[in-house]
Amino acid sequence: DQQVKQNSPSLSVQEGRISILNCDYTNSMFDYFLWYKKYPAEGPTFLISISSIKDKNEDGRFTVFLNKSAKHLSLHIVPSQPGDSAVYFCAASDTGTASKLTFGTGTRLQVTL
Amino acid sequence: NAGVTQTPKFRILKIGQSMTLQCTQDMNHNYMYWYRQDPGMGLKLIYYSVGAGITDKGEVPNGYNVSRSTTEDFPLRLELAAPSQTSVYFCASSSSASGANVLTFGAGSRLTVL
Repeated sequence: DQQVKQNSPSLSVQEGRISILNCDYTNSMFDYFLWYKKYPAEGPTFLISISSIKDKNEDGRFTVFLNKSAKHLSLHIVPSQPGDSAVYFCAASDTGTASKLTFGTGTRLQVTL
Repeated sequence: NAGVTQTPKFRILKIGQSMTLQCTQDMNHNYMYWYRQDPGMGLKLIYYSVGAGITDKGEVPNGYNVSRSTTEDFPLRLELAAPSQTSVYFCASSSSASGANVLTFGAGSRLTVL
């Protein structure tokens, strides 16, 4: 049972435009959501997080939006740069279960020139 | 500062062989995790540890064992390797499970079982 879903396996965006990556979840007990970025042959690296009591968190070019009623979050990258080309994983945690992260399947973002 | 170091980076095993994937972190993190990533799939939690001497099963523990004798080291043992264990394995650590549990990952160990 996939509790965190990323339904778009890939996304292609032109440099300078906005990239929007989506994530849906089913477990209402999740209280933190995180986005990780992964380059080939490297481990995932933390990008940005949001608490379930917030609806938006911004860090430079990256903004995460959370819609709790829809159990949906999205990562916006503005403007997109070629170095943003990577696989992006959505993850969620529940502090009631030692905050273990549950990951989505990832979305491969390609930023073209 | 090395962060999380995993060895080996690549390994090919024959069915039925055993091996240990090593993981060391130098950040004095209490929490450590082992994940596996299969092609087109997300990361699945195998085992985790909340401190030295304490380990617990994750989502996919069958066929694996772990130990945590020190804060720094969290080796993952594969007994009787099977083709289904062909995967990329990631070790991770974090300082606290409160708030957003930000994990620091190693570079991964790619294992092929033939």
